[in-house]
Amino acid sequence: AQTVTQSQPEMSVQEAETVTLSCTYDTSESNYYLFWYKQPPSRQMILVIRQEAYKQQNATENRFSVNFQKAAKSFSLKISDSQLGDTAMYFCAFMRGDNTDKLIFGTGTRLQVFP
Amino acid sequence: NAGVTQTPKFRILKIGQSMTLQCTQDMNHNYMYWYRQDPGMGLKLIYYSVGAGITDKGEVPNGYNVSRSTTEDFPLRLELAAPSQTSVYFCASSYGGTGSYEQYFGPGTRLTVT
Repeated sequence: AQTVTQSQPEMSVQEAETVTLSCTYDTSESNYYLFWYKQPPSRQMILVIRQEAYKQQNATENRFSVNFQKAAKSFSLKISDSQLGDTAMYFCAFMRGDNTDKLIFGTGTRLQVFP
Repeated sequence: NAGVTQTPKFRILKIGQSMTLQCTQDMNHNYMYWYRQDPGMGLKLIYYSVGAGITDKGEVPNGYNVSRSTTEDFPLRLELAAPSQTSVYFCASSYGGTGSYEQYFGPGTRLTVT
């Protein structure tokens, strides 16, 4: 069975600084996808970034980028130029490439951005 | 285009009562999902559907039932509610099938069983 581990329950960063959230996963699959979701206090789940396991290039979306280390089964999220609106829970998630698109989530990291 | 809508937003149930959580999407998505989020935890999959008439269990299906008679609707039924079912419930949908399509989430239903 696949598992997703987020070892940082809480993180904090000052506005405009950079922060990295960690995620490791365990799988024997070769075809899979990895995601970072943001959940602000509104509770809405928002997709931040997606990475296909077969792609060596790390995904980027504006201020958000990942460091995907396939051999180490590590998938960290870097937020650059942090903004107050980045304050939220961040969840790492794994999806097998089996056409069911079921997501397996980690327990989350609560990020607080301070002015 | 409302996306994924869920009703109700909040509900308090007594132990042993039953209820149906409603989920509707207007994006013509084939795939739909129900997740639950316990306090301080990530989301766990309860049931999912890859099309009308097709449903399957996720990680934590016990105590729940689903049906998918139309593309748009995917209701979740709780029978004989228990305190362990106190949680926030999220419905999601996507075009599905390749991992390339984003899952769109509803706003959630907060359920308390006392």
